This record gives sequence, structure tokens and C-alpha cells, in this order.
Amino acid sequence: DAGVTQSPTHLIKTRGQQVTLRCSPISGHKSVSWYQQVLGQGPQFIFQYYEKEERGRGNFPDRFSARQFPNYSSELNVNALLLGDSALYLCASGNARGGNTIYFGEGSWLTVV
Amino acid sequence: ILNVEQSPQSLHVQEGDSTNFTCSFPSSNFYALHWYRWETAKSPEALFVMTLNGDEKKKGRISATLNTKEGYSYLYIKGSQPEDSATYLCATTAGSKSTFGDGTTLTVKP
Repeated sequence: DAGVTQSPTHLIKTRGQQVTLRCSPISGHKSVSWYQQVLGQGPQFIFQYYEKEERGRGNFPDRFSARQFPNYSSELNVNALLLGDSALYLCASGNARGGNTIYFGEGSWLTVV
Repeated sequence: ILNVEQSPQSLHVQEGDSTNFTCSFPSSNFYALHWYRWETAKSPEALFVMTLNGDEKKKGRISATLNTKEGYSYLYIKGSQPEDSATYLCATTAGSKSTFGDGTTLTVKP
């Protein structure tokens, strides 16, 4: 079975631009979470979606938004990119709303120049 | 403890050594504690999820314990091997939110 897949794997954007990152969960998983990881720190929680509804949101500005589609795939959008948005963005899927094991993709490396 | 904290930040051991590291977390509003292994250029791999005070989990040479009353978990690796070299992350789950520590990076020298 395919694991969590994310695209693109690497991308470079200019300050002020917008970016969309995509995630396909493991088949059968209804929960998708997004995390931002900068070097030297652990992943920081951005959003969780379960059954296509936002169930949790971390301490990120409104420039960050996400959605989950009927097939449970998800997109993370970041508007008005800042240099500080440069990070690894991880997606994780699970089969419950919270507490159970989640499975990560390999992430999307975003560089903002 | 307000956040999830891991110690030490990094650890260098010789092949065959046993080692352990700590995850400290707020004991209030606790639901579950997760351990992950994250190797370079790969995705984080789930090792354990624990929910009950006193839980102990084991997977091969790796084991973990949980104390929810005092807010800590230990991860033990017996007889470390070079392939154990990775960053080990712990995370707590409360509701829909997971809070990660900054990880312990383990390097096992042959």
C-alpha cells in the first residue's frame, strides 16, 4: 500500500508569492495534519482536518489555510510568503481524529527567496 | 513544564552501548504520547503510542515507558547499532493537536 505522498518535494518561491502544497493520505485514513519543521526544531502543528472539516489549528497566521477534499486528500496554502516560511512542510495521515498513530510523508521543502 | 521538552539534544555513543533519553511534557490535558524515529531524508517513523500511566512498550531493542502523573517518558535503546542513528521525536496529543519536542539526535559510532 502507498504511504502518505506529498508534492512537490522541493520548490523555490519569491517573497510575496503564494504556494500550494498537496498531500494524499494512506488509503482509508480520514485525518490529515500539516506541520512546519525548521532546522533544529521539532515539527510545529499547523492544521488538522478530519472528515473534511478543520478540527484543530496551531499558532500560525491567517496567511496559512488548508482544505480537505472528498477523497481525503488535502492542500496547504500559504499566501504572501515571507523568508521565515522557508521550512519542511510535513503532512501526516491517521484513521482517527486524534491520539492514534499518525503516518508522515517525506515532506515538501519550501525555500522562499 | 509548559511545552514538550526532550533531553539531551544530541548524543554520541559507541556501537553496543545502551542509551536512553527523556521526553518531558505537561501532565495536564494529556491524551497520548508518541515516539518517532526520523532518519535523514526519510519521513518520521512511528515507534510507539502510549496513553496509560505506567505503560511500557517494546519493539526489538527499543523500549519506552510513560509516567503521566509526573509528565515524562523514557526511550531506551539496548545495544545501539549504527542503523539506530536518527533523530528521535516525542509528541503529545491533546484533542486534535500534536505538540512535538525538538528531538534527540543519536549518533552511533561503529
